[in-house]
Amino acid sequence: QVQLVQSGAEVKKPGASVKVSCKASGYTFTSYGISWVRQAPGQGLEWMGWISAYNGNTNYAQKLQGRVTMTTDTSTSTAYMELRSLRSDDTAVYYCARLEIDCSSTSCYEDYFDYWGQGTLVTVSS
Amino acid sequence: QSALTQPASVSGSPGQSITISCTGTSSDVGGYNYVSWYQQHPGKAPKLMIYEVSNRPSGVSNRFSGSKSGNTASLTISGLQAEDEADYYCSSYTSSSTFYVFGTGTKVTVL
Repeated sequence: QVQLVQSGAEVKKPGASVKVSCKASGYTFTSYGISWVRQAPGQGLEWMGWISAYNGNTNYAQKLQGRVTMTTDTSTSTAYMELRSLRSDDTAVYYCARLEIDCSSTSCYEDYFDYWGQGTLVTVSS
Repeated sequence: QSALTQPASVSGSPGQSITISCTGTSSDVGGYNYVSWYQQHPGKAPKLMIYEVSNRPSGVSNRFSGSKSGNTASLTISGLQAEDEADYYCSSYTSSSTFYVFGTGTKVTVL
């Protein structure tokens, strides 16, 4: 069965970086994308970006450009999300999700997230 | 990054039907059939309920259905049950620079 297992909770100081991992199993890793979604305490879902596990292409949310990097290691079927220059408002639960991508002959579109990791709480506090 | 607009809360009695709206623009909901819906219970990861406007993944109850008209998508839950009490989020691909957008979220309460 498809599973996404994320790394454990992190506590970081403002200005530091955090790297969250997401290990996939139960499917062909390179046939899908991986998206990252975060949820601040008591707030809604926020799309952060996605990475193609096939070729490593990325799309990031504009507000995070320059601070976030998403990577994959196909040898271990693991995706990573690194967020730098952490601020208190980056405190959130971070989820990875398998992304179904719909491609035509000319374009590809982010479609839906069918499997989710369990979430990783990142707390930014001095 | 503008979120899709959902009502903050919707409630209904067991057995009733409720509908949650999700309003966007022609750049997202109205322009593409890449609308999906997620259910989230407290402290849990979201779960896919509807994809591509009206398709149900395997294992999701047929009490859940989706539709779209213009720039507004809708999720209908029929035969409301206690276990349906949760937060629901719509989402869509967008041609704007944000690429993907979630709705503001709706808390469903079963009275």
